[in-house]
Amino acid sequence: EVQLLESGGGLVQPGGSLRLSCAASGFTFSSYAMSWVRQAPGKGLEWVSSFTSGGNTYYTDSVKGRFSISRDNSKDTVYLQMNSLRAEDTAVYYCAKTGQFDSWGQGTLVTVSS
Amino acid sequence: DVVLTQSPLSLPVTLGQPASISCRSSQSLVYSDGNTYLNWFQQRPGQSPRRLIYKVSNWDSGVPDRFSGSGSGTDFTLKISRVEAEDVGVYYCMQGTHWPRTFGQGTRLEIK
Repeated sequence: EVQLLESGGGLVQPGGSLRLSCAASGFTFSSYAMSWVRQAPGKGLEWVSSFTSGGNTYYTDSVKGRFSISRDNSKDTVYLQMNSLRAEDTAVYYCAKTGQFDSWGQGTLVTVSS
Repeated sequence: DVVLTQSPLSLPVTLGQPASISCRSSQSLVYSDGNTYLNWFQQRPGQSPRRLIYKVSNWDSGVPDRFSGSGSGTDFTLKISRVEAEDVGVYYCMQGTHWPRTFGQGTRLEIK
């Protein structure tokens, strides 16, 4: 059974940084792309970033230059380094398997506020 | 970017009755490999999203067969043959053909 467990969310001031982690199990992690999707309070879903199994990375325009996705295949974990955080980055951040989002974690809440 | 437009945005349905959600894309979702990467997700209240349908019409594991997906090119539909109480939530279409990945606005299904 695929399991995705996010961690690292919390309250951070505008301009601050956070690193989210997503620990995966139940599948051959290195063979699949991994993605981050967020959902602002009361809003819809927004794709944030993906890291393909081939090493390509993709970002939505609003986070380019501020967020960085990485993965450690030896630890079956994908990360999202978030810098220069803004109020509009406040959201639940979900880890999802592949670029088609076939499995999701439970999410971790990031709140950017002073 | 590909814009996905869902309708309706709110869908009150009587238990046991059918429901249908439309998703229209601003451009073709046919990928160079010939597949159309249009997926449907369900998000029940307080839960993470769950993928129901992938590549237009394929069921994910455990999805009841009262859900079905259809369409081609730029015009897609999710149908529920007989709505049950557990179907309450928000439904999203999403395209996995182009970068950036994009979602529709979501359709909120409620029981009348």
